[in-house]
Amino acid sequence: DVKVTQSSRYLVKRTGEKVFLECVQDMDHENMFWYRQDPGLGLRLIYFSYDVKMKEKGDIPEGYSVSREKKERFSLILESASTNQTSMYLCASSLWGRQRNTEAFFGQGTRLTVV
Amino acid sequence: DQQVKQNSPSLSVQEGRISILNCDYTNSMFDYFLWYKKYPAEGPTFLISISSIKDKNEDGRFTVFLNKSAKHLSLHIVPSQPGDSAVYFCAAKRGNNNDMRFGAGTRLTVKP
Repeated sequence: DVKVTQSSRYLVKRTGEKVFLECVQDMDHENMFWYRQDPGLGLRLIYFSYDVKMKEKGDIPEGYSVSREKKERFSLILESASTNQTSMYLCASSLWGRQRNTEAFFGQGTRLTVV
Repeated sequence: DQQVKQNSPSLSVQEGRISILNCDYTNSMFDYFLWYKKYPAEGPTFLISISSIKDKNEDGRFTVFLNKSAKHLSLHIVPSQPGDSAVYFCAAKRGNNNDMRFGAGTRLTVKP
């Protein structure tokens, strides 16, 4: 059974804190993604990575950074948390390639509240 | 600027009837489209997909239709069941780029 695991289901952090969200997949997937989900906006892509140490900005990278030191692990970092980063964060992974069999598998999500 | 749009935030249908969820996209480079289903407190799960070289793909009760000229796709669920109640997201990819863009989602409620 495929598995994408996010380290926390719920997090509460203070404004200005550095926050780490961790994600691990056990499917040997090349691609990994971080999205945030907000009401009325759907899932918005923050960053993705198609290989170890490689990263690409998504649509809303401001205020975030990522790290991929190992194939199975992709970390999202909030350098200085702000209240507008309160959201549901979703990690996903997929095989690299065109079209078939490249659907993404998602973790259960981390609900982050910044106070 | 959202490249994938789901203009109906919610849809309510009676059990046994057809559910039709719609999605529009603006980027003509998208060539692969997916539907995901999401229950509360869970991550989205893949439901069905379609390549741009096709106009229809069917999997059991779920059928996705693609109209490339209109940049429009739809998901049909027949017959609808109460367990189908969830938020449905449309997503799109282009070429070898593996990053997906999602719509805002449509909350489907199937009433017994």
